[in-house]
Amino acid sequence: NAGVTQTPKFQVLKTGQSMTLQCAQDMNHEYMSWYRQDPGMGLRLIHYSVGAGITDQGEVPNGYNVSRSTTEDFPLRLLSAAPSQTSVYFCASSYSAGDYEQYFGPGTRLTVT
Amino acid sequence: DAKTTQPNSMESNEEEPVHLPCNHSTISGTDYIHWYRQLPSQGPEYVIHGLTSNVNNRMASLAIAEDRKSSTLILHRATLRDAAVYYCILRALDNYGQNFVFGPGTRLSVLP
Repeated sequence: NAGVTQTPKFQVLKTGQSMTLQCAQDMNHEYMSWYRQDPGMGLRLIHYSVGAGITDQGEVPNGYNVSRSTTEDFPLRLLSAAPSQTSVYFCASSYSAGDYEQYFGPGTRLTVT
Repeated sequence: DAKTTQPNSMESNEEEPVHLPCNHSTISGTDYIHWYRQLPSQGPEYVIHGLTSNVNNRMASLAIAEDRKSSTLILHRATLRDAAVYYCILRALDNYGQNFVFGPGTRLSVLP
């Protein structure tokens, strides 16, 4: 199993550009989520999904869109990048939304200039 | 707001036990207590979790107070590879949008 994979590892965007951060898992997990981590801080939940076709907002959803058309993939779209979105983004998955451990990807480091 | 409170940093000597405390005085009956750690430049990694009883696994032990308002992660013999930020997190089973509220965690330094 590859676990949770994220692409790209690094990205630089100009203000106003859009892009999609990719996340995939090969563990047949129902629950997937996106977090952002600012320097010296803990992770904050952006969006999550409890299964294909079902998504919902977390703590900091503004400026981001998600969709979940398959169990495996959970892309995160930045609609119009802003410097405040400079952060490290982590995708995670778990067997279900119940009490199961989460597996995190290696992260995408995004810089918006 | 993070629902847990942890010391900002702790230090330990290699091969000694480490007790990492966490306060969660507003824990509800449906909240599980999870611990994760994050090594430099990596994503968080699951360590252990529990509800009411103490738990052991190959990585660590989790001691939960009887009133569940605090818990302690125990690393039995710290190694240099255990140097990381440790997060104590409450996982709400009745409010998935509030799952995994990460605070700043405890930065553990392990001295050789």
